[in-house]
Amino acid sequence: EADIYQTPRYLVIGTGKKITLECSQTMGHDKMYWYQQDPGMELHLIHYSYGVNSTEKGDLSSESTVSRIRTEHFPLTLESARPSHTSQYLCASSESYAAVSGANVLTFGAGSRLTVL
Amino acid sequence: DQQVKQNSPSLSVQEGRISILNCDYTNSMFDYFLWYKKYPAEGPTFLISISSIKDKNEDGRFTVFLNKSAKHLSLHIVPSQPGDSAVYFCAASPGEKLTFGTGTRLTIIP
Repeated sequence: EADIYQTPRYLVIGTGKKITLECSQTMGHDKMYWYQQDPGMELHLIHYSYGVNSTEKGDLSSESTVSRIRTEHFPLTLESARPSHTSQYLCASSESYAAVSGANVLTFGAGSRLTVL
Repeated sequence: DQQVKQNSPSLSVQEGRISILNCDYTNSMFDYFLWYKKYPAEGPTFLISISSIKDKNEDGRFTVFLNKSAKHLSLHIVPSQPGDSAVYFCAASPGEKLTFGTGTRLTIIP
């Protein structure tokens, strides 16, 4: 049973459309992340949040934006999609690093595969 | 600059034998290393981790070895099973953000 949900799983849209990828988690995790992955490539961090009203850009520059109004919800929005945005987008969450001793283990959703024509 | 490298894009292993997946890193500040497994059309799932102060961590059929002087870690799976066929990602963190490698596709041959 998935504890982190992403919708839609697959999306094919035309250039210039606005899209929102939804991500929700039921684990009460403070930290949430968006990674982008192209086939055969590493996962690149594009956004992260350490709690409500906290959002930061990741290591890979992205034209997308995120919001964190509720702990469990971390949607990603593209105002005007382009073919270069075609990719898989993976949402993840983790417990507060300070609260546990050990690695920061991320739990991932199943991903949203976006194709922009 | 890629800080975590998995130089073998693919690996095929006979069922029942040992699978060894390798990972190299460049950042001496990494304090934890993790392995994730990913099936097609699913998100990565956590397998095993190791702290930089250790050189070995074992969990059932999975063992991770860390060689800090060589900046190298490896994941051993023994015995390999058909369900182990997946893409394996090495990841490292100097804190709360993970840096991932490009993955190695492991195929277990029955």
